Parts: sequence; structure tokens; C-alpha cells
Amino acid sequence: DAGVIQSPRHEVTEMGQEVTLRCKPISGHDYLFWYRQTMMRGLELLIYFNNNVPIDDSGMPEDRFSAKMPNASFSTLKIQPSEPRDSAVYFCASSLGGSETQYFGPGTRLLVL
Amino acid sequence: QKEVEQNSGPLSVPEGAIASLNCTYSDRGSQSFFWYRQYSGKSPELIMFIYSNGDKEDGRFTAQLNKASQYVSLLIRDSQPSDSATYLCAVSGNQFYFGTGTSLTVIP
Repeated sequence: DAGVIQSPRHEVTEMGQEVTLRCKPISGHDYLFWYRQTMMRGLELLIYFNNNVPIDDSGMPEDRFSAKMPNASFSTLKIQPSEPRDSAVYFCASSLGGSETQYFGPGTRLLVL
Repeated sequence: QKEVEQNSGPLSVPEGAIASLNCTYSDRGSQSFFWYRQYSGKSPELIMFIYSNGDKEDGRFTAQLNKASQYVSLLIRDSQPSDSATYLCAVSGNQFYFGTGTSLTVIP
């Protein structure tokens, strides 16, 4: 299996622009997680899906963030408008079962200028 | 109180020594416990998981779980410079929680 795939790997954008991050989970996994990691706050869970349905989005920082999972093989995390404080590494992870091992993608390094 | 607590370190040990990483959690209903390793600039990767009280060994790594004390630890025997990384403890019950990680440096 190719593992969790994320794109882009790096993104540099200007404040106010829309940013879309993409994730393809491991085939057959029924849970998908979006995390944000910074030096200050560590790894933060933003939202997770079960069978394409959002289960808990309490970690989404504000309305500027939105996530979708239109099918079992694709999810997006969108930031609109982006702000410099959104600069972080965003990870997508998937698992078979909500309490089981999560497999992480390589991450998207986002820099908002 | 955070769901999962780890000493951020940094923890430094000489090559060949035993590195001991500790983690406590707040939810007594937690059922699954994981240790992830994250190299600088890379994504977290699973090292070990443990479900039952006691020790679980895998090569140079031993995970220890004490549910009564709500305590999980990871021992790395014969530490190597390649073990230098941040180690994340994760706990799963109703939800999956990560600790902030402990930075380990193994000095040659």
C-alpha cells in the first residue's frame, strides 16, 4: 500500500488567500483524522471522520477552517482566509477502527506570509 | 489538566544506555496506548502499542502499562544515536489523544 498521501507537501501563500490541503487515506481505512502541529502547541486534532461523516470538529480553531470527505478515498481541509498564525504542519492520518493505530501522511508544511 | 502528559525534555542519554520515557493520562476508561516516534521534519510513526497491564517487548523497546496508576512508559535499551527523536505518547478511549512529546538525544 502507498500509505496516506497528502498534497501539496509545501505551501507558501499570502495572508487572506484560500488554502486547500488534500489527503488520500489508506484504502479500507474507515477513520480519517486531520492534525495540526506547531512547536508551541504540539500535535492538535482538528477533526475526524468515520465512514466519510464528520464525527468531532471541536478542534477546528474557527470558522475559517472547514473539512470535507466526499468519498472514502479523499478529504480536504480548507482555510479561508488564511492568516500567518495558521502556519504549521498539517497531518492527515487514517486508521481501521477509531481506537486503532493511526498511520500518518508526510504532512503539508504551510507558511502564510 | 491535559488528557495526556509527557515531560517535554530534552532527555539526553549516552549511547548504549537505557532511555526511559514516561506518560500519564487522565481518562480511566482509556483502553489502547501507543508510542510514536517522530524524527525532525518527518511524520509520526508507530513504534509500539499496548492494551494490557504489564510489559510488552519488541526488540530494544519495552512498553510498560499500569492502568491503576494511569501510567505508560517506553524503555529503549542499548540506545543508539539513530533513536534521537521526539517520542509521542497516545491514548485511546472515547477519543484519541496525543501528548506533546519528549525530545530524546542519544549522545555518541
